[in-house]
Amino acid sequence: EAGVAQSPRYKIIEKRQSVAFWCNPISGHATLYWYQQILGQGPKLLIQFQNNGVVDDSQLPKDRFSAERLKGVDSTLKIQPAKLEDSAVYLCASSYGPPKEETQYFGPGTRLLVL
Amino acid sequence: SQQGEEDPQALSIQEGENATMNCSYKTSINNLQWYRQNSGRGLVHLILIRSNEREKHSGRLRVTLDTSKKSSSLLITASRAADTASYFCATSGGSGYSTLTFGKGTMLLVSP
Repeated sequence: EAGVAQSPRYKIIEKRQSVAFWCNPISGHATLYWYQQILGQGPKLLIQFQNNGVVDDSQLPKDRFSAERLKGVDSTLKIQPAKLEDSAVYLCASSYGPPKEETQYFGPGTRLLVL
Repeated sequence: SQQGEEDPQALSIQEGENATMNCSYKTSINNLQWYRQNSGRGLVHLILIRSNEREKHSGRLRVTLDTSKKSSSLLITASRAADTASYFCATSGGSGYSTLTFGKGTMLLVSP
């Protein structure tokens, strides 16, 4: 079974520029997550989709971050404009459903460096 | 804010030794999960323990959960160099959705 796909793997931009990340979850997984992982810390949930609806975006900096999941499959996460503190690895994960005990499957991540 | 706090922050052992990592959390949970992260395979789920369970095994892994102390431990027996990675505990709270809150992780180095 194919895993969670993410692109690009690496991105270097200057502050105030825009950037977008793409995620393709495991086929059949209804729930999709975007996490931000700053060096030396654990992943922090940014947004969670159930099919194409948002169920938790409480930690998403909505003044600069946006995410969408059209048709309940692929998802994009955008940062506009980027700040230095956005340098991190952005992880996408998916799970089969919403039940509380679902294992999340993570993609390889996109490593973002903001200069 | 992060729910879990792993201890120690870093651990260095020799192959064949056992490694124990601890996780403490603050609020009530439905379950607690352990994940491993290394540069080669990204973040991988290891084991899940429910709030009404006290101990669980999976291969060389043993997880315990003490809800009265709000703590969990992960034991890796007979460690191998391939176990070198960062280990994170993640808690799932009371909502109907499987939102996970991760700790900062323990870096484990297993030397041959």
